[in-house]
Parts: sequence; structure tokens; C-alpha cells
Amino acid sequence: DAGVIQSPRHEVTEMGQEVTLRCKPISGHNSLFWYRQTMMRGLELLIYFNNNVPIDDSGMPEDRFSAKMPNASFSTLKIQPSEPRDSAVYFCASSLGFGGLSFFGSGTQLSVL
Amino acid sequence: DQQVKQNSPSLSVQEGRISILNCDYTNSMFDYFLWYKKYPAEGPTFLISISSIKDKNEDGRFTVFLNKSAKHLSLHIVPSQPGDSAVYFCAASRGEDMRFGAGTRLTVKP
Repeated sequence: DAGVIQSPRHEVTEMGQEVTLRCKPISGHNSLFWYRQTMMRGLELLIYFNNNVPIDDSGMPEDRFSAKMPNASFSTLKIQPSEPRDSAVYFCASSLGFGGLSFFGSGTQLSVL
Repeated sequence: DQQVKQNSPSLSVQEGRISILNCDYTNSMFDYFLWYKKYPAEGPTFLISISSIKDKNEDGRFTVFLNKSAKHLSLHIVPSQPGDSAVYFCAASRGEDMRFGAGTRLTVKP
């Protein structure tokens, strides 16, 4: 299995631009998570889906952030408009079943100038 | 609100000695605890876990201890090896909801 696939690996953009991060979970996994890693807060849970339905988005920092999961094999995290403080590594993870082990993608390094 | 805390951002130990990484949590509803290891430019990978019904789980050089009354868990690595140098994240979960700590960067010196 190819594991969780995230794209792009690196994204550099200017403040005010829209950013879209993409994630393909492991086939058969029914839970998907978006995390943001920063030096201060470590791995913050932004939102998670179960069977393509958003379950908890309380970690989404602002209305500028939105996430979708149109089907079981694809999810996006969008930031519009982006700001320099959004610069971080964004990870996607997926798991199987209730409380299953989470497998992480390699992350997207986002830099907003 | 950080429900999982790793108060030591970094730890340095000599090769062959024991590494002890600590983690505290606030939510008594968490029932499953994990440690993930992260190398630079890679995603975190699962290392070891423990259920709330146990107080110890061992896997080779890695042992996780859980003290439910203190809401504290720790990861022991013995003997430590240079290849163990990485960032270690503690996680606590209930169902699909998993929360991570800020991580501890372990450096094992040859």
C-alpha cells in the first residue's frame, strides 16, 4: 500500500492567496484527520472525518479554514485568504475503524510570505 | 486548550543510557495512549501504545508506563541508540478523537 499521500510537499504563497492542500487516505480507512504542526503547539488536530462526514471541526482556527471530503479517497484543506501565521506543516492521517491506529502522510510544508 | 502536554521540548542522552520521555493529559475520558516518532521531512510513525486497562507495555527496547491516577505516561528507551534521535509525540485518544502533545526532541549522542 502506498500509505497516506499528501500533495503538494511544499507550498510557498503570498499573503492573501488561496491555498489548497490535498490528501488521499489509505484505501479502506474510514477516518481521516487533518493536523497542523507548529513549534509552539506541536500537532494540533484541526478536523476529522468519519465515513466522509465531518465529526469535529472545533480545531479549525478560523473561518478562513475549510475542509471537505467528497469521497472516501480524497480530502482537501483550504485556506482562503492565507496569512503568514498559517505557515506550518500540515499533516493528513487516516485510520480504520473506531479508535484504529492512525497512519500519517509526509505532510505539506506551507510558507505564506 | 492543550489536553496532552509534553513539558520537555528536548532531551539529550548518551548512547547506551536510558531515555525517559514524559507526558501528561487532562481528560480522564481518554482510554488509549500512544507514542509516535517523527524524523525530519517525514510524517509521524506509530511506535508503541497502551490501553487504559494496563499500566505497562513493553516492546523490545521501548516500554510505556501509564499512571491513570496521575494522568501521566512515560516512554522508556533502553539502551538508547543514535538512530532513536527524533521528535517523539505522545497521543491520547477516545474513539477516533486523538490529541497530541507538542513533542519532545530526543538526541542520542554517540
